[in-house]
Amino acid sequence: GAVVSQHPSWVICKSGTSVKIECRSLDFQATTMFWYRQFPKQSLMLMATSNEGSKATYEQGVEKDKFLINHASLTLSTLTVTSAHPEDSSFYICSAESPSSGSLYEQYFGPGTRLTVT
Amino acid sequence: GQNIDQPTEMTATEGAIVQINCTYQTSGFNGLFWYQQHAGEAPTFLSYNVLDGLEEKGRFSSFLSRSKGYSYLLLKELQMKDSASYLCAVRVPSGPYKYIFGTGTRLKVLA
Repeated sequence: GAVVSQHPSWVICKSGTSVKIECRSLDFQATTMFWYRQFPKQSLMLMATSNEGSKATYEQGVEKDKFLINHASLTLSTLTVTSAHPEDSSFYICSAESPSSGSLYEQYFGPGTRLTVT
Repeated sequence: GQNIDQPTEMTATEGAIVQINCTYQTSGFNGLFWYQQHAGEAPTFLSYNVLDGLEEKGRFSSFLSRSKGYSYLLLKELQMKDSASYLCAVRVPSGPYKYIFGTGTRLKVLA
C-alpha cells in the first residue's frame, strides 16, 4: 500500500519560535495533500488543502500567515507553524490523496506529529 | 454548511455486533469513507461508499443512503483490538475536493 511519512513525529518548542513539519508520499505522486489538526478525544479538523505548485486553500478560521503551507513537489508538502504559542499544541496529521481503482480516491495518512509548545 | 454527526461513545461486548451511525449534510457529495483510529495513531482506511447500498469487507460492512444522508458501519464478531475511534468522512467538491470528518465515535469493547 501507499506510504506517507511525516517528520518529526514529535517536537517540543518554546513559545515564539517556528516549527516546520514535513509530509512526504514515499511511493506515489500525490495530486493533493491535506493538513489536519486533532485535539485530544476529538475528530480531525481540516486546516488546509494543498496542491502542488499552487497556493494552499485554507479552511475558515485557519490563519494562513500563522500556518504556512508549501507544496513544492508532488511528493512533499510542509507545514510551518510560525510564532508558536501553547494553544498551538496539538496533533498534526497530513494525508496524501491518490487515485486508486476506478473512481475511488484514497487518502493515505502520515503517522502524525505531536507538537508541544512550552 | 457542512455537518457530519456520529454518536460520541459506544460500548459493546467481545463477539457481539455493533452498528455505528453517521448522518451528514454537506454541500456536495463524492463518497463517504470510514476510518479506524487508535489513540495516538493516524487513521486507517476501513471502507468506502459512493453508491447506495451495502459494502462488505470481512468483519466490517458499511451502508449508505444518499437520499437520507445516512451511513452506518457494522462491525461483526467484535474483538478487543476493535476498541478505537471510528471516523466517518465525506469527500466534497471544493476546488477540487476535500474531506470533512464527522465528530468520531469512541468504541469500547468489553470482555
